[in-house]
Amino acid sequence: DAKTTQPTSMDCAEGRAANLPCNHSTISGNEYVYWYRQIHSQGPQYIIHGLKNNETNEMASLIITEDRKSSTLILPHATLRDTAVYYCIVRVANYGGSQGNLIFGKGTKLSVKP
Amino acid sequence: SAVISQKPSRDICQRGTSLTIQCQVDSQVTMMFWYRQQPGQSLTLIATANQGSEATYESGFVIDKFPISRPNLTFSTLTVSNMSPEDSSIYLCSVETGTSYEQYFGPGTRLTVT
Repeated sequence: DAKTTQPTSMDCAEGRAANLPCNHSTISGNEYVYWYRQIHSQGPQYIIHGLKNNETNEMASLIITEDRKSSTLILPHATLRDTAVYYCIVRVANYGGSQGNLIFGKGTKLSVKP
Repeated sequence: SAVISQKPSRDICQRGTSLTIQCQVDSQVTMMFWYRQQPGQSLTLIATANQGSEATYESGFVIDKFPISRPNLTFSTLTVSNMSPEDSSIYLCSVETGTSYEQYFGPGTRLTVT
């Protein structure tokens, strides 16, 4: 089972920041928080991942609380093309062994509206 | 990142037949994975394709039904055997490179079994 809890759906106005929350209260010390998204009829797309520090890349920012029990993915200026299902996943970052597998939950369906 | 292609992109098959799906990566990768996404559902990991050895299957998936090959570091196949309508899904391969813990997904193969 997925080790994260996300809202089922969210709406965001185009051009505004989209803040997607994720709860992972049972996260272990060696588990990272990963975010993927899946645009309709496409394969999932890697967005960002982090351990405990906040992370930023060209797509998004990841804010992880100090106790690491929750995180927020921020899309700073959402566009219509950001409409997708967003998955928050916790996993160990290693090769081999089931701990490193990506376990997808139901995710959050983000709808960006004009 | 890695560029992943899958063949076929979609197919309609008769029950009782088998279909082999190919996954090609543009660079050598350490790990390759196969997922299934049933209609309206999230992704489920089928197996990890190991180069030079048997695949590692997740609970609920068996080699007789989903035989996997991985002859080298850039290619893998998944066969869906003795298909039934319940096998109608999108099948996706993904890869993880040796330099990061990011997993990249192919575009998927949409399979319909009649």
